[in-house]
Amino acid sequence: DGGITQSPKYLFRKEGQNVTLSCEQNLNHDAMYWYRQDPGQGLRLIYYSQIVNDFQKGDIAEGYSVSREKKESFPLTVTSAQKNPTAFYLCASSSSSHLGNTEAFFGQGTRLTVV
Amino acid sequence: AQSVTQPDIHITVSEGASLELRCNYSYGATPYLFWYVQSPGQGLQLLLKYFSGDTLVQGIKGFEAEFKRSQSSFNLRKPSVHWSDAAEYFCAVDFKSLMRFGAGTRLTVKP
Repeated sequence: DGGITQSPKYLFRKEGQNVTLSCEQNLNHDAMYWYRQDPGQGLRLIYYSQIVNDFQKGDIAEGYSVSREKKESFPLTVTSAQKNPTAFYLCASSSSSHLGNTEAFFGQGTRLTVV
Repeated sequence: AQSVTQPDIHITVSEGASLELRCNYSYGATPYLFWYVQSPGQGLQLLLKYFSGDTLVQGIKGFEAEFKRSQSSFNLRKPSVHWSDAAEYFCAVDFKSLMRFGAGTRLTVKP
């Protein structure tokens, strides 16, 4: 079945550690996104990538890093520079706008907690 | 500035009553428009989308939305709400291959 998979579902991080959240899709989508969700703030865009080997900062990129070495994969690293990393992280993918149908498909999310 | 606004943070309706959730956008041109629903601790599921053409679009679970260019709005409606519709609803836009979301509206359904 085609879809988008995030792992792990729950992740605990100690202060000062970097952690990497996995996101894989088999939908052959060009575009992939990372969002952070906090109560009452909706989904805020962290990073996005519209093509392999290229990515752009979103609205809240500080303290995060990404890579896009393969079309299927878009891992997010939460670095120690991120002051308040506890949140629910959602990965999404979509086809490009110029193709018309740009519905985004979401993973089930990763809940990151700093302990 | 480009933005997506959902003015209602929380709405409570009685089961069987009608529902309208508001969404306004601020972009130079009409973006692609979406409504998503999220159950607690889950990802988002697409309810419906508007790209062009008929301004009244039908979605899953009995939802519909109307695009009004003059008001830069894309409001979600359902004629009769079911208890299972309780969830958080997000309006989203895709403008030049960049998806952005509103802050969400949490829907509570009273018996």
